[in-house]
Amino acid sequence: EAQVTQNPRYLITVTGKKLTVTCSQNMNHEYMSWYRQDPGLGLRQIYYSMNVEVTDKGDVPEGYKVSRKEKRNFPLILESPSPNQTSLYFCASSLSGLAGTGELFFGEGSRLTVL
Amino acid sequence: GESVGLHLPTLSVQEGDNSIINCAYSNSASDYFIWYKQESGKGPQFIIDIRSNMDKRQGQRVTVLLNKTVKHLSLQIAATQPGDSAVYFCADASQSGGSNYKLTFGKGTLLTVNP
Repeated sequence: EAQVTQNPRYLITVTGKKLTVTCSQNMNHEYMSWYRQDPGLGLRQIYYSMNVEVTDKGDVPEGYKVSRKEKRNFPLILESPSPNQTSLYFCASSLSGLAGTGELFFGEGSRLTVL
Repeated sequence: GESVGLHLPTLSVQEGDNSIINCAYSNSASDYFIWYKQESGKGPQFIIDIRSNMDKRQGQRVTVLLNKTVKHLSLQIAATQPGDSAVYFCADASQSGGSNYKLTFGKGTLLTVNP
């Protein structure tokens, strides 16, 4: 089954404790992206990757890091989480930067709470 | 900055009726538009898309209309069913270098279908 898998789905952590949210897709997609979803603000892009070893900032990259060492994986790293990073996070992928199929596949989401 | 907005934050319809969800966009350079459906506790799911050289596109029970003159997008759902209850997002896409598109999401409309 074609899917985007995120882990963990739910996490409560404390300020400053480094964490990683993993994302994996099995569709051989080149493009992957991270979004955060907050009430009243909608979906905002954090980082995206056009291909292996190619990453770029989205609209709200501060406090986050990403890496793309393999095509299927695109982990989101919070080196020193803060309460304002409490949010619902979505990983997404598409065949090729939306220019081709246009279909962005989303994961089920990871709800992160930073105390 | 440019933004994608929605006319109505909530919409309540009777089962079997047709639903119309509206969206206004402001980026005149946008050339691609997408509707997503997000059910409670899940990630957004692609419904239908339309390119700027079209004014109408039909899918299964869904139709997207694009009016470039007034920068308005709508999603019509025929014979709305309880399973259609969800938040619906519009998004506009504009090229941002190479083959990459930048997606700007609206904040969403909550559709509730009453039995």
